Amino acid sequence: DGGITQSPKYLFRKEGQNVTLSCEQNLNHDAMYWYRQDPGQGLRLIYYSQIVNDFQKGDIAEGYSVSREKKESFPLTVTSAQKNPTAFYLCASSIDHKASGTDTQYFGPGTRLTVL
Amino acid sequence: KQEVTQIPAALSVPEGENLVLNCSFTDSAIYNLQWFRQDPGKGLTSLLLIQSSQREQTSGRLNASLDKSSGRSTLYIAASQPGDSATYLCAVKGSVTNAGKSTFGDGTTLTVKP
Repeated sequence: DGGITQSPKYLFRKEGQNVTLSCEQNLNHDAMYWYRQDPGQGLRLIYYSQIVNDFQKGDIAEGYSVSREKKESFPLTVTSAQKNPTAFYLCASSIDHKASGTDTQYFGPGTRLTVL
Repeated sequence: KQEVTQIPAALSVPEGENLVLNCSFTDSAIYNLQWFRQDPGKGLTSLLLIQSSQREQTSGRLNASLDKSSGRSTLYIAASQPGDSATYLCAVKGSVTNAGKSTFGDGTTLTVKP
């Protein structure tokens, strides 16, 4: 089965704790992305990675960190510095982040993070 | 900065009706526009991708059009069914000045009543 997996599906965090969301893909895609979605809103880009060991900040990177040690994996850490982390987090991948008109993004099922 | 707007925010139609969802964007320097479907609590499923050089794409009962000069795209759904009920989002992939990033609209939530 090819695709993108995210775990866990639901995550609860106490204030002041760091948590890590997992994202794995077996599509052999170079580019991976993390988005945040708040109720009734579209997606906002947190971080993206075009290649292993390289990543760039998106529009709302403050309070988040990522790593890209393997092509298949792009974990997101929500740190205690993120003031309002309760949201739905979506991971995506695409063949190539470069300027391409045919570059389709494929999404995982999401992780819902709630701060208690 | 690219801004993407989807109107209306919600739409309710009877089964069998044809309908149009709208997406507008402010910067016409784009590489592509993608339409997605999202069911409650789920990830996004890609429906159609239109490259900047194309005017429309079709898949089954879905037809998406793109008019770059006016900054508009439409998603046409023919003979709507209750199973089409979902939120539909459009995303515009920006040009080099936007680092090739995608900007999403807030979505249109469609309800098709039996």
